[in-house]
Amino acid sequence: DTAVSQTPKYLVTQMGNDKSIKCEQNLGHDTMYWYKQDSKKFLKIMFSYNNKELIINETVPNRFSPKSPDKAHLNLHINSLELGDSAVYFCASSHGESDEKLFFGSGTQLSVL
Amino acid sequence: AQTVTQSQPEMSVQEAETVTLSCTYDTSESDYYLFWYKQPPSRQMILVIRQEAYKQQNATENRFSVNFQKAAKSFSLKISDSQLGDAAMYFCAYRSVYAGGTSYGKLTFGQGTILTVHP
Repeated sequence: DTAVSQTPKYLVTQMGNDKSIKCEQNLGHDTMYWYKQDSKKFLKIMFSYNNKELIINETVPNRFSPKSPDKAHLNLHINSLELGDSAVYFCASSHGESDEKLFFGSGTQLSVL
Repeated sequence: AQTVTQSQPEMSVQEAETVTLSCTYDTSESDYYLFWYKQPPSRQMILVIRQEAYKQQNATENRFSVNFQKAAKSFSLKISDSQLGDAAMYFCAYRSVYAGGTSYGKLTFGQGTILTVHP
């Protein structure tokens, strides 16, 4: 069983559309994250949730809205997609916000045309 | 805020030889974690090794070891007996230990180093 799974793995869409990426972890972790890897491969945190509560929101445009229906799921919804949103989005989880060991999903490559 | 710098965009090594990837960081914190992650073409982020700043002993994991120089704020990764499967992008990352640290609860990454392994 995959520990942290993201769907879809690839997403191609037109500018202006709204899309969602789903993430689920079966590790029993309390904390989940979204990281963005841009076209230059630079990785940066976007959000983190601890027990469904938002704890980090790293100056991300409000077109990006994370949703955590329960502590095993953290979805990312993006409104009005722009060309610059093209990137790889990684979900990750850890036991808690103080736990330094992250488990990453395999990433979702988003291409906005 | 903490910054992590990897000054080598690309490195190459012959199979079975040793290569060292450099990483420097800037912080005013006394305790923190440092990591090396590997990202092969499959895109998966794989933790290679981690170091806790309060531990003076350098971390090792099989063929991977670090040279942690706290005063110099340097954290290099040495890969011994390089294998073709080591070819990947390598990221150095920093994380605060204490709540209230600007990198608490998140990883701050360097720009990455692409490692090529020649047969």
